[in-house]
Amino acid sequence: QQQVKQSPQSLIVQKGGISIINCAYENTAFDYFPWYQQFPGKGPALLIAIRPDVSEKKEGRFTISFNKSAKQFSLHIMDSQPGDSATYFCAARSGGSNYKLTFGKGTLLTVNP
Amino acid sequence: NAGVTQTPKFRVLKTGQSMTLLCAQDMNHEYMYWYRQDPGMGLRLIHYSVGEGTTAKGEVPDGYNVSRLKKQNFLLGLESAAPSQTSVYFCASRPLLAGGSYNEQFFGPGTRLTVL
Repeated sequence: QQQVKQSPQSLIVQKGGISIINCAYENTAFDYFPWYQQFPGKGPALLIAIRPDVSEKKEGRFTISFNKSAKQFSLHIMDSQPGDSATYFCAARSGGSNYKLTFGKGTLLTVNP
Repeated sequence: NAGVTQTPKFRVLKTGQSMTLLCAQDMNHEYMYWYRQDPGMGLRLIHYSVGEGTTAKGEVPDGYNVSRLKKQNFLLGLESAAPSQTSVYFCASRPLLAGGSYNEQFFGPGTRLTVL
């Protein structure tokens, strides 16, 4: 059972455009929602994260929007650049002491120049 | 400070062979994780460890074993490799934080394993 559903699977955006990736979750015990960015041949790296008591978090061109009642969150990349081309994973952490993350299946973002 | 390193970077095995993947971190992190990444499947947790000498099963543990004899190392073993274990394997670590602070997992560069 997939607990974090991510869409779209792939996304092509023109330079300067807005990239939007959506995730939905089922488990209301999730208490931390990070986004990871992965370039080809590299390991994922934390991009930005949010807690469910906040509806939005912005870091530079990257913004997470969080809708607790709908159990959805999304990543917005403003002024998308070719250097943003990567695979993006949303994730959710279950509460407790083991700090396990459940990842979405990923979105391959291509930003055309 | 090398962060999280993985050995080897690439490996080709024949069905039935065994091997061990090594993950090392120099950040004194308590938690360590092994994931596998397959196309269209995201990252799936194989096993994890919450401290030296402790291990636990993740989402897809069958066919794998792990050991955490030293805090800085987390080993992933395949006793009898199968083609279904062809994947890219990532190790990650994170610190033990107090007070609900940031929970970032730091990933290694991955090991690409092919089982023929």
